[in-house]
Amino acid sequence: DGGITQSPKYLFRKEGQNVTLSCEQNLNHDAMYWYRQDPGQGLRLIYYSQIVNDFQKGDIAEGYSVSREKKESFPLTVTSAQKNPTAFYLCASSRMLTGANTEAFFGQGTRLTVV
Amino acid sequence: AQSVAQPEDQVNVAEGNPLTVKCTYSVSGNPYLFWYVQYPNRGLQFLLKYITGDNLVKGSYGFEAEFNKSQTSFHLKKPSALVSDSALYFCAVRVIPKEDTGRRALTFGSGTRLQVQP
Repeated sequence: DGGITQSPKYLFRKEGQNVTLSCEQNLNHDAMYWYRQDPGQGLRLIYYSQIVNDFQKGDIAEGYSVSREKKESFPLTVTSAQKNPTAFYLCASSRMLTGANTEAFFGQGTRLTVV
Repeated sequence: AQSVAQPEDQVNVAEGNPLTVKCTYSVSGNPYLFWYVQYPNRGLQFLLKYITGDNLVKGSYGFEAEFNKSQTSFHLKKPSALVSDSALYFCAVRVIPKEDTGRRALTFGSGTRLQVQP
């Protein structure tokens, strides 16, 4: 069925390692997003992409990188430069219309823990 | 710029009673407002949205929200709460700058935990 798939559900990272979180959607949406969720802070935007081969920094992009080589895929790499990566990461997508009236659909999230 | 405030970290209500979860926003331009619900260790589920037109918006699971432009609010409501409504609720706003460029992503509030007691 249609939707957004994030993998893995749980991920453990050692200090100094880079890790990549997967996000795939089959909704034919143009726009995709990565958010980070910390307790009591709501969701903060890391990166977003409006079309293939284009992406923009969000509010907390430092220490993260993304790519958008295919419309369906928007992987997020958490690099060793991210000093506090332990969080719940949410991927989302939305249709691209000329207006802003399009809701985002979310994946089930990846919980990243530094060990 | 766009921002959202959810002034209550937690709301407690008895089952069967009406519930309200508050949200206020700040945008330059016309707001597009959304409510989402999150259950533990899950992604966010869309509940409802306000784009234009009728200020009272009806959504999933019996929820509704009222857009009030003068008070810049978009409070979530339900006439009769269920224990299964207990979850984390997020208000979000999106606005398109006049130049039709820039940020198209949602800006979220910090969330309100709803506890419905049996």
